[in-house]
Amino acid sequence: DIQMTQSPSSLSASVGDRVTITCQASQDISNYLNWYQQKPGKAPKLLIYDASYLETGVPPRFSGSGSGTDFTLTISSLLPEDIATYYCQQYDDVPVHTFGGGTKVEIK
Amino acid sequence: EVQLVESGGGLVQPGGSLRLSCAASGFSFSSYWMSWVRQAPGRGLEWVANIKQDGSEKYYVDSLKGRFTISRDNAENSVYLQMNSLRGEDTAIYYCARVRQRLKKIGVVPAALEYWGQGILVTVSS
Repeated sequence: DIQMTQSPSSLSASVGDRVTITCQASQDISNYLNWYQQKPGKAPKLLIYDASYLETGVPPRFSGSGSGTDFTLTISSLLPEDIATYYCQQYDDVPVHTFGGGTKVEIK
Repeated sequence: EVQLVESGGGLVQPGGSLRLSCAASGFSFSSYWMSWVRQAPGRGLEWVANIKQDGSEKYYVDSLKGRFTISRDNAENSVYLQMNSLRGEDTAIYYCARVRQRLKKIGVVPAALEYWGQGILVTVSS
C-alpha cells in the first residue's frame, strides 16, 4: 500500500508569510495527487488536483507542485481565512485513495 | 447546485449496526463514482469506500472489509453505507463525496473527491 507522509504536522505563520507544506509518497505516484483544505468544523474542500491544477474558484495564492514522490502545497501570502488543516491524497493506487496525515496551519 | 446530504447517524452500541444514507441532488448522480470518507474525533481523514456509477465495482479500505458495505440506488439518487459489528474506533464523522474521474493508462479511474456532504456523526458507545 502507498503511504503518504505530510510535513510539518502543524505550523504557525504570520499573515503575509509564504507557507509551504510537503507531502511524500512511499512510491512513485506520478502526478496522481490532490490537496484538500478543511476549515474547523467544516467538510474538506478540493483545492488542487493532479498535483498542480487549481480547482475552480480557489484563490491563486494557492499553488501545487511536484511529481513522483515529492509534492508541495504553497500559500504565497497567508491570510487569516487560510487557517485550516490541509491534506494530500493519492489516487495512483486506485481505487484506493490514501490521505496524508494532515498539516494544521495557524496564525502566529 | 451540487448537494450531498448525509443522514442516519447517531449513537449505537458496540456490536450494533447502522446504515448511513447520502442524498444527492444538482447533478446526474448515475454518472459519478461516489465515496465515503470518515474522520475520527481530532484525527485525519480516512477513505472508507468507493462505488462505481452502476454499482458494479465496490472497493474498501482493507481494515473495514467485511464489516462495511457501500451501495447505491441511482433511481433514488442515493448512496449508502451499511456498517455492521461496530466498534468504538468507528466513532467518527462520516462524509459522502462525489468523485471526479480521470483517464489513466489503465482506463478511467476515480480521482479527486470534488464535492463533499456536511458529514454525519456516528458514535459507538455503550
